[in-house]
Amino acid sequence: QKEVEQDPGPLSVPEGAIVSLNCTYSNSAFQYFMWYRQYSRKGPELLMYTYSSGNKEDGRFTAQVDKSSKYISLFIRDSQPSDSATYLCATVKAAGNKLTFGGGTRVLVKP
Amino acid sequence: GAVVSQHPSWVICKSGTSVKIECRSLDFQATTMFWYRQFPKQSLMLMATSNEGSKATYEQGVEKDKFLINHASLTLSTLTVTSAHPEDSSFYICSARRSTGHYEQYFGPGTRLTVT
Repeated sequence: QKEVEQDPGPLSVPEGAIVSLNCTYSNSAFQYFMWYRQYSRKGPELLMYTYSSGNKEDGRFTAQVDKSSKYISLFIRDSQPSDSATYLCATVKAAGNKLTFGGGTRVLVKP
Repeated sequence: GAVVSQHPSWVICKSGTSVKIECRSLDFQATTMFWYRQFPKQSLMLMATSNEGSKATYEQGVEKDKFLINHASLTLSTLTVTSAHPEDSSFYICSARRSTGHYEQYFGPGTRLTVT
């Protein structure tokens, strides 16, 4: 079993819809959480990071962390075709260095 | 803020030659930098972690004599692929982390290496 599980998709939504992405993790040592967006043949772009349970909002993006359930989510409001990409969740242990990634979810936003 | 650049973005080299890839943090000091490798439609694979002024820590299975990493300053790390072979062809991505207490990593745009 992978330490961080993420549905590979593809997740197809119409333009303007809310994109809902999630990951589950198994190790309670993971304390810090990130979401990245990766376009084909590009490096990942950091969208959100959070160090605690709860919600964090930034523009069209909302990240949720529930440490009791070991469940993290990313919501993208008013999705655009330019949001079509692979979304990666990542987590780090306290005092750790290495990111542990989910496998990524491919998202397609159709005009 | 938090921009990381890589150079070159694409390089073609002949088998047996060496190639150097640079990774720079443009607007912050990076105490720790990372090098990843990514094959098509696969996830990122961490190759090594480097701290400024220290020797890099390589992941299991990564040949440290083949993939030479130097982190000479708080804004520059280099990866040299020595005696490259076609199987080294891949997408190499660096990332940088700010000072201690920050855990998020900022990634560069990646370098596509093709060995002929």
